[in-house]
Amino acid sequence: ETGVTQTPRHLVMGMTNKKSLKCEQHLGHNAMYWYKQSAKKPLELMFVYNFKEQTENNSVPSRFSPECPNSSHLFLHLHTLQPEDSALYLCASSQTAGGSYNEQFFGPGTRLTVL
Amino acid sequence: GQNIDQPTEMTATEGAIVQINCTYQTSGFNGLFWYQQHAGEAPTFLSYNVLDGLEEKGRFSSFLSRSKGYSYLLLKELQMKDSASYLCASDNTDKLIFGTGTRLQVFP
Repeated sequence: ETGVTQTPRHLVMGMTNKKSLKCEQHLGHNAMYWYKQSAKKPLELMFVYNFKEQTENNSVPSRFSPECPNSSHLFLHLHTLQPEDSALYLCASSQTAGGSYNEQFFGPGTRLTVL
Repeated sequence: GQNIDQPTEMTATEGAIVQINCTYQTSGFNGLFWYQQHAGEAPTFLSYNVLDGLEEKGRFSSFLSRSKGYSYLLLKELQMKDSASYLCASDNTDKLIFGTGTRLQVFP
């Protein structure tokens, strides 16, 4: 247990569906992250939130929409996805974003399959 | 540009020693993380190097050379449970930049 939980663990959706991924951290951290992990590719940073403010959008398509209502919760809203969006989506948190030694604590991920 | 290189796969025998190398070319470098990720699980922190040299933590050690842009993770007395992916990540000012990960398989 890393103190970061994600739901659902597995999700299968059609290209016309709308779904949301949820992440919650119980570590008192102020920064939260979404990553995409595809086979044989590096972890791709998608979004960063620091004290509930989005500080990074790594050129992510608009069909992915993040939401951070407070420092403990992070959502990723999905709509009209493509099959190539199938991947493991990892959430992480750290004390803050920026500066050095920002050890990130990861959740177990949501395995997303887009049909 | 930002680039992290590490081998894709490695194999080793139980009880042996294995070294996983990582080279990086990143701007705004602060330090180097190593994470372990078992299949279907979250990446978990192994080590963080800021200064040049070797840092030992039980069976695992990590080395950094800032001038060469090079790091390695050394695993001793390998156990079957060490079969996992090992992720090298550059700690930049406002983000971590990850390599593809090295999938290590330990055989009896």
